[in-house]
Amino acid sequence: DGGITQSPKYLFRKEGQNVTLSCEQNLNHDAMYWYRQDPGQGLRLIYYSQIVNDFQKGDIAEGYSVSREKKESFPLTVTSAQKNPTAFYLCASSPRWAVVSGNTIYFGEGSWLTVV
Amino acid sequence: KQEVTQIPAALSVPEGENLVLNCSFTDSAIYNLQWFRQDPGKGLTSLLLIQSSQREQTSGRLNASLDKSSGRSTLYIAASQPGDSATYLCAVRPRETSGSRLTFGEGTQLTVNP
Repeated sequence: DGGITQSPKYLFRKEGQNVTLSCEQNLNHDAMYWYRQDPGQGLRLIYYSQIVNDFQKGDIAEGYSVSREKKESFPLTVTSAQKNPTAFYLCASSPRWAVVSGNTIYFGEGSWLTVV
Repeated sequence: KQEVTQIPAALSVPEGENLVLNCSFTDSAIYNLQWFRQDPGKGLTSLLLIQSSQREQTSGRLNASLDKSSGRSTLYIAASQPGDSATYLCAVRPRETSGSRLTFGEGTQLTVNP
């Protein structure tokens, strides 16, 4: 089935560690996104990529890094510079021309990151 | 900077009631507005997308309206069911076409009691 797969579902990070969240999609979408959601809050955009080998910072990029070497993959690294990383992380994808076509954005099931 | 507000933050209703969720946004220069559903610990599922030129969209028991000039949207759920219990988020997409920089509201947590 087509969709977005995020892994792991639950991840624990020790102080000072970098951790990487995986996001894979088989929808043939050009654009991919990473959002952060804190309890009782809306989603905030961390990074997005509209095409392979290109990505832009979102509203809260500090302490995070991404890469887009393949169309289907958009991993997110939470670095030790991110001082408050405990949150629910959502990956999403959409056709590149979603704005024009009116196509919607599709989300993965999310990954929970907890600092221990 | 675009801000999106959803009222109420939480709502509890008995099964069978019709209900309205509200979403307001500060910048009317939007391309479209979407309503999403989120089950606990899960991702988001798109329910309805309204283009800026449209006034409303309907899907089954759901009806979403858009009044761009006043910066408001409502999601109407008819004959609510326990399975409708979830958090409902609205999101707006700005007029410029740089990516999909959706701005989300904080959501309304809906509980429908049997």
